[in-house]
Amino acid sequence: DGGITQSPKYLFRKEGQNVTLSCEQNLNHDAMYWYRQDPGQGLRLIYYSQIVNDFQKGDIAEGYSVSREKKESFPLTVTSAQKNPTAFYLCASSKQGATTGELFFGEGSRLTVL
Amino acid sequence: AQSVTQPDIHITVSEGASLELRCNYSYGATPYLFWYVQSPGQGLQLLLKYFSGDTLVQGIKGFEAEFKRSQSSFNLRKPSVHWSDAAEYFCAVANTGGFKTIFGAGTRLFVKA
Repeated sequence: DGGITQSPKYLFRKEGQNVTLSCEQNLNHDAMYWYRQDPGQGLRLIYYSQIVNDFQKGDIAEGYSVSREKKESFPLTVTSAQKNPTAFYLCASSKQGATTGELFFGEGSRLTVL
Repeated sequence: AQSVTQPDIHITVSEGASLELRCNYSYGATPYLFWYVQSPGQGLQLLLKYFSGDTLVQGIKGFEAEFKRSQSSFNLRKPSVHWSDAAEYFCAVANTGGFKTIFGAGTRLFVKA
């Protein structure tokens, strides 16, 4: 079945370490996104990518980096510059150029900084 | 600026009772509106969406929503709630293509027996 796979599901990090969250999709979608979810704040957009080798900052990009070398993959690196990285991270994708705007989500990765 | 407001942080309903979750949006043009549902520790799943046409839209799991332009609202309803409906519900608004989807803070639904 087509879908979005995020890994790892749970991740623990010491302060000062960079960590990379994986996101892979086999939906043949052009656009991919990373959202951060904190209790009571909904979802906030970190980065998004409309096509391979191109990406744009979202509303809270500071302390994060991404790459889009393949259509299927959109990894997110949480750097040591991110002051409060403990959160639930969601990857999503959507069809490029479609008017639907519907997002398809992975199951998320929970990052905890010790 | 675009925004989405879900006035209720949490709601508790009895199983079998009706449900209405409120959503108000602020958007300059005709909005693309969505409701998503999230079970604990999971990703979000689309319940329904509105782009144009009939203002009452049907979704999965027996949910429906009504778009009211005059009230800038897109409330989610279900006539009879099941225990499995307990989850968090997010209203969202997007521009064309969905590159900028704005989510509300969510409403957590509790279902009591």
